[in-house]
Amino acid sequence: DAGVTQSPTHLIKTRGQQVTLRCSPKSGHDTVSWYQQALGQGPQFIFQYYEEEERQRGNFPDRFSGHQFPNYSSELNVNALLLGDSALYLCASSQTNRQGETFGSGTRLTVV
Amino acid sequence: GNSVTQMEGPVTLSEEAFLTINCTYTATGYPSLFWYVQYPGEGLQLLLKATKADDKGSNKGFEATYRKETTSFHLEKGSVQVSDSAVYFCALTYHSGSARQLTFGSGTQLTVLP
Repeated sequence: DAGVTQSPTHLIKTRGQQVTLRCSPKSGHDTVSWYQQALGQGPQFIFQYYEEEERQRGNFPDRFSGHQFPNYSSELNVNALLLGDSALYLCASSQTNRQGETFGSGTRLTVV
Repeated sequence: GNSVTQMEGPVTLSEEAFLTINCTYTATGYPSLFWYVQYPGEGLQLLLKATKADDKGSNKGFEATYRKETTSFHLEKGSVQVSDSAVYFCALTYHSGSARQLTFGSGTQLTVLP
């Protein structure tokens, strides 16, 4: 049973560019959350998607946006990249109203 | 707001030593509490959880008890192994409207020496 799949695994972008990260949730899961983990820190909640809508958002600027598709997969988009956006971006999936997030291995984004 | 405070690392132990990683939280209501583990180059894996006061979560020899009176969820293991070397995160989850989000501590790096 495949878990949460994220792509790409690593990415290098230039400041000011835009990036799209992708996530396929675990089979049977319908809710996707995105987290940003800066080096040496704990993950910070960006937002959560359910039924193709953003259900909750953390303290991140509008440069961070997302989308969920009918097959429950999700994308995270970041516009106008800053050096401070360099981090590991984690996707987590779950079944709505049930605890137990499953995390992917993450996408390591480096902004230069 | 909700927050999690973890014991500062890094922690270095010899194999078979006793492990304690302290975790305290601040939250309104009754959050669920979790310990996650992150091995190098990997995502987070759920280690154990507790959903109400006095619950004890356990897995792979690790234990943690939900202490509401002290707002703590300390992680313990009686005899660590080299393979336990990883970063450990304490976290809580709560419902905000219809959503549920995790709030993490800053993590504690554990290194176990043979």
